[in-house]
Amino acid sequence: GIQVEQSPPDLILQEGANSTLRCNFSDSVNNLQWFHQNPWGQLINLFYIPSGTKQNGRLSATTVATERYSLLYISSSQTTDSGVYFCAAHGSGNTGKLIFGQGTTLQVKP
Amino acid sequence: ETGVTQSPTHLIKTRGQQVTLRCSSQSGHNTVSWYQQALGQGPQFIFQYYREEENGRGNFPPRFSGLQFPNYSSELNVNALELDDSALYLCASSSPYEQYFGPGTRLTVT
Repeated sequence: GIQVEQSPPDLILQEGANSTLRCNFSDSVNNLQWFHQNPWGQLINLFYIPSGTKQNGRLSATTVATERYSLLYISSSQTTDSGVYFCAAHGSGNTGKLIFGQGTTLQVKP
Repeated sequence: ETGVTQSPTHLIKTRGQQVTLRCSSQSGHNTVSWYQQALGQGPQFIFQYYREEENGRGNFPPRFSGLQFPNYSSELNVNALELDDSALYLCASSSPYEQYFGPGTRLTVT
């Protein structure tokens, strides 16, 4: 089945800095999602982006399906951006099983 | 917030007992997926239900079972609880691909 790898595993930023999180996947995908998990465990949808580029405020994401990677950009980071960011995907042969990466733990310091 | 709800929020059980977790899907979504998230890991797919039928299963033993009801709500049942079943259990609803997660049920097995 599809494999999903995220980098870096940990990231520490000063408030106001920009960052890029990367997600590599091993096969073509029908679904690619980015999530932010808050300290209480809730997975918050950031982007549904199997291909192309989307932007939502200070966050944007790009998926290059032909090269099997996706990037999440965070600009002008704030302390509330801290938490774990997950990328998850499922392949073209599977309609439901989301495979998650191991996550990137982001800490934004004031 | 998503429209996906889960109950209970927290649960403590003893090894060998049985547990039932519940999930109400977002309005208009006919597909429910269940995931297990151990501490420090990404969520792992347990199974998915589409229109009351199981539609894919991850690498979990048969003591993990589920149901989906005509209103698309769902239950996850775990028999003969083991210590390693202690985890955050997440439910997601979708129609058809983008998945939206509930707040989770944190299960502790002692």
